[in-house]
Amino acid sequence: QVQLVQSGAEVKKPGASVKVSCKASGYTFTSYDINWVRQATGQGLEWMGWMNPNSGNTGYAQKFQGRVTMTRNTSISTAYMELSSLRSEDTAVYYCARGASGSYWGQGTLVTVSS
Amino acid sequence: DIQMTQSPSTLSASVGDRVTITCRASQSISSWLAWYQQKPGKAPKLLIYKASSLESGVPSRFSGSGSGTEFTLTISSLQPDDFATYYCQQYNSYWRTFGQGTKVEIK
Repeated sequence: QVQLVQSGAEVKKPGASVKVSCKASGYTFTSYDINWVRQATGQGLEWMGWMNPNSGNTGYAQKFQGRVTMTRNTSISTAYMELSSLRSEDTAVYYCARGASGSYWGQGTLVTVSS
Repeated sequence: DIQMTQSPSTLSASVGDRVTITCRASQSISSWLAWYQQKPGKAPKLLIYKASSLESGVPSRFSGSGSGTEFTLTISSLQPDDFATYYCQQYNSYWRTFGQGTKVEIK
């Protein structure tokens, strides 16, 4: 069965970077885009960007341009999202999702930014 | 960027009610719209894709309609398991956006 399994919770200081992983199984990793979405506590869903695991092409929401990098390692069917220059407002649950219409989601990774 | 506006933000309804949520796009997105259900502490769950296609395993009481800039999600007879927050998302362009969400509460 299709699964996206994300890395565990992180606590970071302001100004640091965080890298969240998303390991895919149950399908051909390079056949579907991976999207990253975040959700601050009590807030709505915020789309961050997408990556094509086959080509490595990416597209980022303007809000995150210059701070986010999405990469992949096809040999282990894993996508990564790195967010730099963290601030308290980046405290959120970060999700990966498969495909343009988000048919499968990871379980979420809580990133807490606190001094 | 394409803006997505959902209404209402909150909806109070009873079990058995017919519920309709609206999502409007700031420009035409053809039928490239998805609807999700999210419960507290859980990842969103895909209900509808391409505006009106029901995701496998989703109960038939959920339906989607619309094209262009105006879309609706309808729950024909609200069930206890349906109390949740619902989001629309456009994927017409590579820069995807969500609506702000509609919380369906028990009346």
